[in-house]
Amino acid sequence: DTAVSQTPKYLVTQMGNDKSIKCEQNLGHDTMYWYKQDSKKFLKIMFSYNNKELIINETVPNRFSPKSPDKAHLNLHINSLELGDSAVYFCASHGRGGHNEQFFGPGTRLTVL
Amino acid sequence: QKEVEQDPGPLSVPEGAIVSLNCTYSNSAFQYFMWYRQYSRKGPELLMYTYSSGNKEDGRFTAQVDKSSKYISLFIRDSQPSDSATYLCAMIPGGAQKLVFGQGTRLTINP
Repeated sequence: DTAVSQTPKYLVTQMGNDKSIKCEQNLGHDTMYWYKQDSKKFLKIMFSYNNKELIINETVPNRFSPKSPDKAHLNLHINSLELGDSAVYFCASHGRGGHNEQFFGPGTRLTVL
Repeated sequence: QKEVEQDPGPLSVPEGAIVSLNCTYSNSAFQYFMWYRQYSRKGPELLMYTYSSGNKEDGRFTAQVDKSSKYISLFIRDSQPSDSATYLCAMIPGGAQKLVFGQGTRLTINP
């Protein structure tokens, strides 16, 4: 009965490859996010989608392309992976009203070799 | 200079101690202030949320906001080993849903 789920949990790949991470939320929220957490635990927003529409793009390289097929899903595709892309990627979602609480998924640990 | 500064620690205290975690910020537009707790290999979860200056208490946790000093704190009373985690402060500017995080403080409570 997971609220925000991500697949895969771990991803190990070679430099130059293309990979995707999937996110699904069953909370009925309108807004979804992708965050990147580096090795020093610093968590930074990458993208935000509201009802399948991109609303925040935080100067992320265009090798990263988010896609939202519907408001319950937000996927992240990464082209030409680089060593510096190694991090934990978190998906989050947020509903209207309430306390601005964002619910986070369990994270996808990406390692680029 | 980062918008939100947080001492990354690590911080190690004995069980039962009072813990004080702090963040400073530079952007006056921040209006919503939160503390997230992140256990190892897990996603962050919301612990406390405050809107205005002042104190907010929830059980053993107290969040404090001082907008005039651009300073927020989280106090944990009677700390337990299960409180061992990374604590992240986060802030949202008014009119936006963009969470800006501090670096996180890694806390260990020793039995």
